[in-house]
Amino acid sequence: AQSVAQPEDQVNVAEGNPLTVKCTYSVSGNPYLFWYVQYPNRGLQFLLKYITGDNLVKGSYGFEAEFNKSQTSFHLKKPSALVSDSALYFCALRGRGKFQFGAGTQVVVTP
Amino acid sequence: EAGVAQSPRYKIIEKRQSVAFWCNPISGHATLYWYQQILGQGPKLLIQFQNNGVVDDSQLPKDRFSAERLKGVDSTLKIQPAKLEDSAVYLCASSPLRGPDREGGNTIYFGEGSWLTVV
Repeated sequence: AQSVAQPEDQVNVAEGNPLTVKCTYSVSGNPYLFWYVQYPNRGLQFLLKYITGDNLVKGSYGFEAEFNKSQTSFHLKKPSALVSDSALYFCALRGRGKFQFGAGTQVVVTP
Repeated sequence: EAGVAQSPRYKIIEKRQSVAFWCNPISGHATLYWYQQILGQGPKLLIQFQNNGVVDDSQLPKDRFSAERLKGVDSTLKIQPAKLEDSAVYLCASSPLRGPDREGGNTIYFGEGSWLTVV
């Protein structure tokens, strides 16, 4: 069975500080991992994905994520957070044709 | 490139009434998904189509929910009769067929969602 977990319900960070949103996974075989962002009253927007290759993946809006196979993690990062980054972030795992989402992490960036 | 289109965006109905949501996927995308997202939770897959065939409907409450994708393009999700616990956002998404991964090859793209309130 595959699973994806986001251990933090909410992450609070001051504007300009680094932002990290955590994600861990469990799957047999190679993982396909994704990050999505959801702004209030909107659908999910694709940020970035890891399929294979370089462990550091760069995505939209200055976000990047680091794939760590030994720790089975795929943490989302941004070097300098903006107030406009406040949103709900979802990690997702694709395995055996199934696309599974984590419970989400609310990011709050304060001025 | 046009994104995934959904309608209506918002709907309020009374319990035991029926409602239908429509989705038009990104042109050329063979796979279409309907997800249910309850406030504060991650999206839960209701049904997945590949072309006009059902790939996975294991979490679809078939006593009240139905979905179709007759010509392998747009799709309709129906709830009849609605219950209070059906209040959620219904997200439609699409993706190209799985294959050698190119740009966006395995990515799912979402519409803006249809927000249902059952009172």
